[in-house]
Amino acid sequence: AQSVTQLDSQVPVFEEAPVELRCNYSSSVSVYLFWYVQYPNQGLQLLLKYLSGSTLVKGINGFEAEFNKSQTSFHLRKPSVHISDTAEYFCAALVGGYQKVTFGTGTKLQVIP
Amino acid sequence: SQTIHQWPATLVQPVGSPLSLECTVEGTSNPNLYWYRQAAGRGLQLLFYSVGIGQISSEVPQNLSASRPQDRQFILSSKKLLLSDSGFYLCAWSVSRGAYGYTFGSGTRLTVV
Repeated sequence: AQSVTQLDSQVPVFEEAPVELRCNYSSSVSVYLFWYVQYPNQGLQLLLKYLSGSTLVKGINGFEAEFNKSQTSFHLRKPSVHISDTAEYFCAALVGGYQKVTFGTGTKLQVIP
Repeated sequence: SQTIHQWPATLVQPVGSPLSLECTVEGTSNPNLYWYRQAAGRGLQLLFYSVGIGQISSEVPQNLSASRPQDRQFILSSKKLLLSDSGFYLCAWSVSRGAYGYTFGSGTRLTVV
């Protein structure tokens, strides 16, 4: 079975500070990985995705994530956050042979002015 | 370009009343379609998904049903709503299994009173 674990349910961070949101997945086969962002009362928006190739993936809004196969992780990072980054972030995985994506439980990022 | 429409945005319904939420996709054909629910503090819960007209897979036994009468139309229904059906409902579509990510609608906030 495929599973996605987001270790932190909430992450407070001061404005202009760096942030890392953690994500681990369970799979020993090929996997596609995603990060989504959800602003209050809106649908989810794709931030970035890893399909293959370079392990460092750049997305929208200055976010990036690094695929680490040995640690089965796909952590999301931003070097300097803004108030507008306050949202909930979901990590997701699609494992070879599965018909649908599995989502993590989400991490709420709170940017403090 | 592809777009996804979901309506209504908000809905307040009494217990025992019927429900019909509609989702349509434009600009693509034969999409995979999904219904998710977000209840407070419970993350994303996959309710139904469909890989084609008339093909519905149910993920969680519940008071809800789904139908796909046309290629790009996905409907979530209930004959009698329960208080526990309250939540934020999201429709999404993908190409095939979702290796390139899901595109979500803007959601429907359902409050059962």
